[in-house]
Amino acid sequence: DADVTQTPRNRITKTGKRIMLECSQTKGHDRMYWYRQDPGLGLRLIYYSFDVKDINKGEISDGYSVSRQAQAKFSLSLESAIPNQTALYFCATSGPGWETDTQYFGPGTRLTVL
Amino acid sequence: SQQGEEDPQALSIQEGENATMNCSYKTSINNLQWYRQNSGRGLVHLILIRSNEREKHSGRLRVTLDTSKKSSSLLITASRAADTASYFCATDAAGNTGKLIFGQGTTLQVKP
Repeated sequence: DADVTQTPRNRITKTGKRIMLECSQTKGHDRMYWYRQDPGLGLRLIYYSFDVKDINKGEISDGYSVSRQAQAKFSLSLESAIPNQTALYFCATSGPGWETDTQYFGPGTRLTVL
Repeated sequence: SQQGEEDPQALSIQEGENATMNCSYKTSINNLQWYRQNSGRGLVHLILIRSNEREKHSGRLRVTLDTSKKSSSLLITASRAADTASYFCATDAAGNTGKLIFGQGTTLQVKP
């Protein structure tokens, strides 16, 4: 089984709908991240969490919210989806340490907002 | 804004040739990492080089880091068609921000 899983893998929705993307990990890592990727661009950080009680905004958090339900679960919500949120979304985890360790990525969720 | 800028944006070579990708960044770093992404898939970590290291090898990969120029390069030797992918550098900024900043990536095509 994959260490970092994301559901759904693909989602098509309409403008104004609320969407939740879920991420689960079995790596036992405390740190979890949500990124979005647009064509021709690298990954941009949306939110990150260093433990269950820690939530931090990333580079592009407007229009998104997150919930860290447990060490292993980190969900990303789009409260009212808009077309420019169409993108590939990745969840990632990393271990503890003074320096950021290697990040382990899920397979991604392709979201289309019509 | 993104920390890393990669050059070239796209690279096409023949199998067996070497591929070199470059990454420049703006701020002091703790480490720099390279990741690979096959089309539409999640990123996979390739190699990490710390700020006090100048060169690192892993199989056919060679990474160099020049902190005075704020730049890094990734060399893939004896490339294979299976190396076709996008390659991203990512930096962990000094000061323990705890998060990586990714470049825009280099798309590598290796022709058989």
